[in-house]
Amino acid sequence: DAGVIQSPRHEVTEMGQEVTLRCKPISGHNSLFWYRQTMMRGLELLIYFNNNVPIDDSGMPEDRFSAKMPNASFSTLKIQPSEPRDSAVYFCASSLPEQETQYFGPGTRLLVL
Amino acid sequence: AQSVTQPDIHITVSEGASLELRCNYSYGATPYLFWYVQSPGQGLQLLLKYFSGDTLVQGIKGFEAEFKRSQSSFNLRKPSVHWSDAAEYFCAAGAGSYQLTFGKGTKLSVIP
Repeated sequence: DAGVIQSPRHEVTEMGQEVTLRCKPISGHNSLFWYRQTMMRGLELLIYFNNNVPIDDSGMPEDRFSAKMPNASFSTLKIQPSEPRDSAVYFCASSLPEQETQYFGPGTRLLVL
Repeated sequence: AQSVTQPDIHITVSEGASLELRCNYSYGATPYLFWYVQSPGQGLQLLLKYFSGDTLVQGIKGFEAEFKRSQSSFNLRKPSVHWSDAAEYFCAAGAGSYQLTFGKGTKLSVIP
């Protein structure tokens, strides 16, 4: 069974450019999470979807960040415009709510120059 | 406020030695508890979890963890470390909702 799939695995872009990160959750999982990991702040929850609906986006840093989940098998996290301080590893995770266990993708390492 | 503390930022052990990674939590009630491992450049892999019942939990790769309510701890152990165990280990806690609180992680180095 395939795990959580994220693309791209690495992204290097210049300040001001739009960045789109993609995630495919585990089939059958109806909860999806976007996290950001940095050395300074550790793992931070950005947004949580349940049944494709955003439930909690209080962790989204600012209006430059947006996330969508158009269907149960796909989600995007978009940064527009990107800034150097957005450089981090972005993880997607999925779960079944009753299982309480989140399964993580391999992450996207983003570098904004 | 809910919190998870991993007091050791970096631990170095010799291959074959025993290992214990510490995790303390601060929650209103007993949370669900998890240990994840992150190898360099990889995502987080679930090692084990505790929801209720037996306080000694067995996980993958020979790891185990013990829940101690009196100490608000959930320490991870392995009797004999292998070089491939070198990674960063994260303790996490949840309170029955989607929110997980992660510790800052403990980096494990293994000396051959």
